[in-house]
Amino acid sequence: QKEVEQNSGPLSVPEGAIASLNCTYSDRGSQSFFWYRQYSGKSPELIMFIYSNGDKEDGRFTAQLNKASQYVSLLIRDSQPSDSATYLCAVNGYRGGKLIFGQGTELSVKP
Amino acid sequence: NAGVTQTPKFQVLKTGQSMTLQCAQDMNHNSMYWYRQDPGMGLRLIYYSASEGTTDKGEVPNGYNVSRLNKREFSLRLESAAPSQTSVYFCASTASTSGRYEQYFGPGTRLTVT
Repeated sequence: QKEVEQNSGPLSVPEGAIASLNCTYSDRGSQSFFWYRQYSGKSPELIMFIYSNGDKEDGRFTAQLNKASQYVSLLIRDSQPSDSATYLCAVNGYRGGKLIFGQGTELSVKP
Repeated sequence: NAGVTQTPKFQVLKTGQSMTLQCAQDMNHNSMYWYRQDPGMGLRLIYYSASEGTTDKGEVPNGYNVSRLNKREFSLRLESAAPSQTSVYFCASTASTSGRYEQYFGPGTRLTVT
């Protein structure tokens, strides 16, 4: 079992809709959870991080963490074509330590 | 890619050749990482360095060595390149203080081993 798993997609949503991206992890000791966006041919860019159970909102993005279920998600409200990218989930056990990535979910937002 | 530089951007090697990928950051970050990215595989951690003077293996360390030369620089060496090492290599640096987390990736090195 991979340490961090994501649906590979592609996930296609219409412009203006909510895109929901999901990630599960296997290490119950994991403490920090991250979402990255990667445009084709570019390097990943950190967009959200979350440490505590519950929701964390930043603009159109909401990260949701449920440690009991070992599940973290990213919601993108009012999706735009410019949100079309691959979204990577990453998890680590302690700050500054080993950061493990999922395989990424490709999101396509159709005008 | 603010603050993290990688060289070279592209490289073609023949099987058995060696090379060093260079990474430097100017943000005074303690932690640095080397990842490889292959189609459909996400990012896989090769080695990381939590602080100057320390290095640790990641998920896929075989065939690689690293050096944390100082706080700024973290290099990745391929001693005897193999076609399976054809990939895009990313360096990253991070800093974490209470409630705040920074991470930046370099632009990547696209390596082909023939």
